[in-house]
Amino acid sequence: AQSVTQPDIHITVSEGASLELRCNYSYGATPYLFWYVQSPGQGLQLLLKYFSGDTLVQGIKGFEAEFKRSQSSFNLRKPSVHWSDAAEYFCAVGAPPGAGNNRKLIWGLGTSLAVNP
Amino acid sequence: EAGVTQFPSHSVIEKGQTVTLRCDPISGHDNLYWYRRVMGKEIKFLLHFVKESKQDESGMPNNRFLAERTGGTYSTLKVQPAELEDSGVYFCASSQAGTSALHFGNGTRLTVT
Repeated sequence: AQSVTQPDIHITVSEGASLELRCNYSYGATPYLFWYVQSPGQGLQLLLKYFSGDTLVQGIKGFEAEFKRSQSSFNLRKPSVHWSDAAEYFCAVGAPPGAGNNRKLIWGLGTSLAVNP
Repeated sequence: EAGVTQFPSHSVIEKGQTVTLRCDPISGHDNLYWYRRVMGKEIKFLLHFVKESKQDESGMPNNRFLAERTGGTYSTLKVQPAELEDSGVYFCASSQAGTSALHFGNGTRLTVT
């Protein structure tokens, strides 16, 4: 079955601390992986995506994610968290490019990030 | 460019009533998607339009939900009659043909009482 697991429902970090949000997936084909962020009152914004190539991908706002096929993981990291990073983060998996126009994404439950000053 | 716009941002209705949600995608985006997030659950795919045609509606919960995209521009999602379990946030997203990422609207929070 296709699924995405984000084990941490809620995480609190101090401003300036490093951050890692976990994501594990189960997908029958080569996955196309995404991280989205939803800030309060906002829509979902794409942070980064991965399909092929370098397994360490850089995104916006200083985020990066590492794809590990052997672990079926795509964890999101940031070296130093800012108070404005407080938001909800979603990992998602979908069909790869070239598989038609379908972007029927499968989502994790999300991880809510709180940042202490 | 203007982003994906959803209206209303919030809607509170009584069980049995009808609600229509609207989504205006980014101009030129052929692909339009509806997703829903019920409280405490993951975001779930509802359906996908390519222009005015329904490409995939496998995620529609039941026949109380009707989505349209006349003319291939904006889309509406009607719930009739609404039930308590329909409460949640309804997201619309759009993308250009062949591109990789979806652009999401801010969502419509629907509360059925």
